[in-house]
Amino acid sequence: DAKTTQPTSMDCAEGRAANLPCNHSTISGNEYVYWYRQIHSQGPQYIIHGLKNNETNEMASLIITEDRKSSTLILPHATLRDTAVYYCIVRGEYGNKLVFGAGTILRVKS
Amino acid sequence: NAGVTQTPKFRVLKTGQSMTLLCAQDMNHEYMYWYRQDPGMGLRLIHYSVGEGTTAKGEVPDGYNVSRLKKQNFLLGLESAAPSQTSVYFCASSYLFRRLQGFFNNHQPQHFGDGTRLSIL
Repeated sequence: DAKTTQPTSMDCAEGRAANLPCNHSTISGNEYVYWYRQIHSQGPQYIIHGLKNNETNEMASLIITEDRKSSTLILPHATLRDTAVYYCIVRGEYGNKLVFGAGTILRVKS
Repeated sequence: NAGVTQTPKFRVLKTGQSMTLLCAQDMNHEYMYWYRQDPGMGLRLIHYSVGEGTTAKGEVPDGYNVSRLKKQNFLLGLESAAPSQTSVYFCASSYLFRRLQGFFNNHQPQHFGDGTRLSIL
């Protein structure tokens, strides 16, 4: 599975959009991009995943560049409860194993 | 609406003791996983199971054993606990695949429990 690179930490004002970048320049054609988050002391929570098209659900939007070498997770209206570690993971088509990196610490501030 | 339940939530062991961590899911998921998370690090896969009666090694399997006798339960055992096994242990489960829009999709999100905090002295 391809490796990902994320910033160590980011700050966001409450009510504003949080844009979390992820670089996955070695991604291959059949690998998906997944985003999970982990709020302090809890288990990771699935947010969204995609292959090449932009995706949106009730939690977030995922924008994948045309060359698929990077992506951005967008939380449209961040709240204090969105403060968490966000993990960008690239997973192959077969097998169902997730490889977690260090993630991005997102701090939402009032 | 329990999802993935882990027991116990906390445990302190002495070096050399044994114990079993229990994971139960009520979503009829085929896949189940055990991860460990050490301070400041992401999760690392210990063992996983693709179905009842089958298990496989993950990234860091040494010192652990697992069993999946029932579809809904996945047990993680430490036969002789060591201080290096002090960690937070997370269990997860997922569907093998789901039928979406007429196609089988094997990209199913994992659902995690809230973890077991294990300290070994």
